[in-house]
Amino acid sequence: NAGVTQTPKFRVLKTGQSMTLLCAQDMNHEYMYWYRQDPGMGLRLIHYSVGEGTTAKGEVPDGYNVSRLKKQNFLLGLESAAPSQTSVYFCASRSYLDRGAYNEQFFGPGTRLTVL
Amino acid sequence: AQRVTQPEKLLSVFKGAPVELKCNYSYSGSPELFWYVQYSRQRLQLLLRHISRESIKGFTADLNKGETSFHLKKPFAQEEDSAMYYCALKESDSTLTFGKGTMLLVSP
Repeated sequence: NAGVTQTPKFRVLKTGQSMTLLCAQDMNHEYMYWYRQDPGMGLRLIHYSVGEGTTAKGEVPDGYNVSRLKKQNFLLGLESAAPSQTSVYFCASRSYLDRGAYNEQFFGPGTRLTVL
Repeated sequence: AQRVTQPEKLLSVFKGAPVELKCNYSYSGSPELFWYVQYSRQRLQLLLRHISRESIKGFTADLNKGETSFHLKKPFAQEEDSAMYYCALKESDSTLTFGKGTMLLVSP
């Protein structure tokens, strides 16, 4: 199993350009998350999804859109990139299976995005 | 207001010294807390959760509701413990709120 994969690994954009980051998981997890990691700020939740066809806003959703058309994929879109969106983006997934406790989030390797 | 506070950005210790990474939280109700770790060039991964009351790689963390703390401890640090450590709190909507992280550097 590949676990959680992210495409691309690196990307450089110019201000105003758009792009889509792809997250894929092969663990049949219901929940998927997008975070951004910035120095001194930790991980902050952008958007998340509790199942196919559903999405919800996290702590820092502005400037981003997401879609979950297939259970295994969670896409993060930047319609008009800004330098403030320069960051490392992590995707994570989690099983809904009730084991009596909150299940572990499994993370992808990250996408390093630079917006010039 | 921060719901998860990790007061130290960087903690530097020598090999064999005790380590304590601090985490304080703000939550009404019964909290569920976790420690995640990110080693250099590796993915973020779960280290331990308070509900399991387990020791992983020699690390332990006890939930102290009176002090609203969940500090991570290890009696004898090893060089391979050098990493970024994040404390995380489960929210009522089942998302996680992460602290800002503490970088642990263990020198030989």
